[in-house]
Amino acid sequence: EPEVTQTPSHQVTQMGQEVILRCVPISNHLYFYWYRQILGQKVEFLVSFYNNEISEKSEIFDDQFSVERPDGSNFTLKIRSTKLEDSAMYFCASTLGQGTEKLFFGSGTQLSVL
Amino acid sequence: GESVGLHLPTLSVQEGDNSIINCAYSNSASDYFIWYKQESGKGPQFIIDIRSNMDKRQGQRVTVLLNKTVKHLSLQIAATQPGDSAVYFCAETVSNTGKLIFGQGTTLQVKP
Repeated sequence: EPEVTQTPSHQVTQMGQEVILRCVPISNHLYFYWYRQILGQKVEFLVSFYNNEISEKSEIFDDQFSVERPDGSNFTLKIRSTKLEDSAMYFCASTLGQGTEKLFFGSGTQLSVL
Repeated sequence: GESVGLHLPTLSVQEGDNSIINCAYSNSASDYFIWYKQESGKGPQFIIDIRSNMDKRQGQRVTVLLNKTVKHLSLQIAATQPGDSAVYFCAETVSNTGKLIFGQGTTLQVKP
């Protein structure tokens, strides 16, 4: 079964450093998402991306965050200057059609900001 | 504001029993609802979905019930197995926005 893959599985960084989280969505999917989950809390929407532009973003997704699809397969989330409160599990997801029918999630990248 | 919540944080059941996990939502504009299962160290895994024009949908061993009058969603798992042990999230969305709002999660523990 096709799956969304994310790398790295764990990322440790110092506060103020830039991090890039990488995702390879399912190959024929057209809509891409980032969500995050702070330990013990609910999964939260960050951003959706379609046709090489952001479709929607949450309040969490401020100027420190950016997304990019640099080639035909990768989808990245960049945090320019990490803060302690950015520590969370970050999930990439993709879907074939518009909306969230059967959103497929990756296994996540655990980001720890020290 | 928008919110999706779960009534019970932890549910413990005996293997073979049926499980019922409940969820309340508050956005009356939501028209698509999904249940996800999350095992330790993994991402949310789609279980079953339901649109607002339905009140019941069945899958393999799982049934989702939607009561729009009281904004309530439930997931029923028949003959619960140890492999069902996980955290279960409900999520809601207005289907053309591509943005899911997740509930807090219920931990299901299956005792052998």
